[in-house]
Amino acid sequence: NAGVMQNPRHLVRRRGQEARLRCSPMKGHSHVYWYRQLPEEGLKFMVYLQKENIIDESGMPKERFSAEFPKEGPSILRIQQVVRGDSAAYFCASSLGTSADYEQYFGPGTRLTVT
Amino acid sequence: EDQVTQSPEALRLQEGESSSLNCSYTVSGLRGLFWYRQDPGKGPEFLFTLYSAGEEKEKERLKATLTKKESFLHITAPKPEDSATYLCAVQRGSQGNLIFGKGTKLSVKP
Repeated sequence: NAGVMQNPRHLVRRRGQEARLRCSPMKGHSHVYWYRQLPEEGLKFMVYLQKENIIDESGMPKERFSAEFPKEGPSILRIQQVVRGDSAAYFCASSLGTSADYEQYFGPGTRLTVT
Repeated sequence: EDQVTQSPEALRLQEGESSSLNCSYTVSGLRGLFWYRQDPGKGPEFLFTLYSAGEEKEKERLKATLTKKESFLHITAPKPEDSATYLCAVQRGSQGNLIFGKGTKLSVKP
């Protein structure tokens, strides 16, 4: 029973480049969440998606960040023109639904380093 | 503003020395309070969901309790393999996203 998969696990980008982070949810899960964990900070919600729809992007910066969850394939978090402040661990979680009855299962994360 | 505060930030215990971790929260319309465990370099691992004041849940050496303002994670006779960061999170209203505290880093020495 495969869990949530994320790739790459580590990503190094120079300032100004683009970063693409991928997340494959657990089998049967159609709800995907992205969180960011900065050093010494807690996990912060970024965006919530269902297949082909962004449901809540209230935690995502207005510029340079975008997310998608196409009908086929993984969810993608895209960061354009990365800056040093984007260096963080990015976690994806998936669930069967949105109520508290459906716990969110997390992937291993992608650690982005901007040089 | 919704807020989750965990204390202490770090806790060092001897093997077998029981203790508790605290999670205090202010949130409108609590739907659930969650405890996760996170090992270095890994994603959070789900432990418990608590829904209402007075509820308790247990798993091996861990027991989670909930009141109207806080939750406790009790660790009984901990072992070195219990060393990890323990995260508390709340889910509110109609929103699916979780609001996390900064975590308590637990170290258990043999």
